[in-house]
Amino acid sequence: DAKTTQPNSMESNEEEPVHLPCNHSTISGTDYIHWYRQLPSQGPEYVIHGLTSNVNNRMASLAIAEDRKSSTLILHRATLRDAAVYYCILRDDDYGQNFVFGPGTRLSVLP
Amino acid sequence: GAGVSQTPSNKVTEKGKYVELRCDPISGHTALYWYRQSLGQGPEFLIYFQGTGAADDSGLPNDRFFAVRPEGSVSTLKIQRTERGDSAVYLCASSLVITDTQYFGPGTRLTVL
Repeated sequence: DAKTTQPNSMESNEEEPVHLPCNHSTISGTDYIHWYRQLPSQGPEYVIHGLTSNVNNRMASLAIAEDRKSSTLILHRATLRDAAVYYCILRDDDYGQNFVFGPGTRLSVLP
Repeated sequence: GAGVSQTPSNKVTEKGKYVELRCDPISGHTALYWYRQSLGQGPEFLIYFQGTGAADDSGLPNDRFFAVRPEGSVSTLKIQRTERGDSAVYLCASSLVITDTQYFGPGTRLTVL
């Protein structure tokens, strides 16, 4: 699986939007971009995923660059509950199998 | 509906002992994964099952680690002759099929004294 690069940590104020970047310059054509997050003392939870087009769901939006070498996870209004480690992961979903997690971005949300 | 459950939530053992960690996946999920997470790091893949068979065990660190899923549902991760370096949170995840979203359990925190 291709590697991703994320900032170690970010801070946001409550009720403001948050943009979490991810670089994946070696992404292959069949790699999907997956985002998971891990709240303290919990297992990772699915946030969103996409291939080429931008994606929206009830939790977040995923903006994918046209060349697919980077993407951004957007939380539209951060809440204290959004404080977590966010992982950006690539996986060839034609084959599936395990995820390869990096260290992720630790997001702090300030009241 | 019920998510992935793992038991025990915490396990403290002594160096050299044998431990078993259990995972109950979401009903109907054919794929089951084990990961290990050390403090401050992302989860690290250990093994995954497709049905009853171990489809990829390339992440198991050595032959002290073994996992089974005899009926294609519940899985047990077994660690023999535990070492202090085995201390970590062991996470289980399941998915409907191997290309689908993975749902994680809360993990078992293993501490080897």
